[in-house]
Amino acid sequence: QQQVKQSPQSLIVQKGGISIINCAYENTAFDYFPWYQQFPGKGPALLIAIRPDVSEKKEGRFTISFNKSAKQFSLHIMDSQPGDSATYFCAATGVFGQGTRLTINP
Amino acid sequence: KAGVTQTPRYLIKTRGQQVTLSCSPISGHRSVSWYQQTPGQGLQFLFEYFSETQRNKGNFPGRFSGRQFSNSRSEMNVSTLELGDSALYLCASSLVRSRDNEQFFGPGTRLTVL
Repeated sequence: QQQVKQSPQSLIVQKGGISIINCAYENTAFDYFPWYQQFPGKGPALLIAIRPDVSEKKEGRFTISFNKSAKQFSLHIMDSQPGDSATYFCAATGVFGQGTRLTINP
Repeated sequence: KAGVTQTPRYLIKTRGQQVTLSCSPISGHRSVSWYQQTPGQGLQFLFEYFSETQRNKGNFPGRFSGRQFSNSRSEMNVSTLELGDSALYLCASSLVRSRDNEQFFGPGTRLTVL
């Protein structure tokens, strides 16, 4: 199976809160799990990525948690800011999720 | 370093026509992938070209085709346009094969089919 299921479709978080977006994949051969951020009128840009040999990767306020046995991974945005308002896509070895529209209320 | 460029940025066509979209990758990148983006469907993979050869293809009808030139520039063609082809078409380049490496996306071509 080649699907990547992403949830939620949309998310509203208060400024300073934690935003959490989840993804699940089916193909155990997938070995690269990036998250892309897209602002209106722009193409997606890589935010952070993880490979299956680690369970967590942190870059600033952004953290990926990876659960290989459950075939799930998630993006956590700490201290969410209005500038984080964008659409986020997870991917697994070239297969993209449906996207999550994140809105951070000031 | 210049980013990925796509031309044109906007296009309006009518049903039955054909269209060609162009993508210039980042200098030195050999892989170019194309995606269709529609609300609710996310990014749907069309195809990937690497060293002028199609390496991978998504689940799209044969009306969608592409090619890559020796300078890594790529074109995508859609023939016999349908209303459902209205979408943002994104091109992404990567240094090597895209599936397990960072991809750099262009701003996209917004295609509207009337």
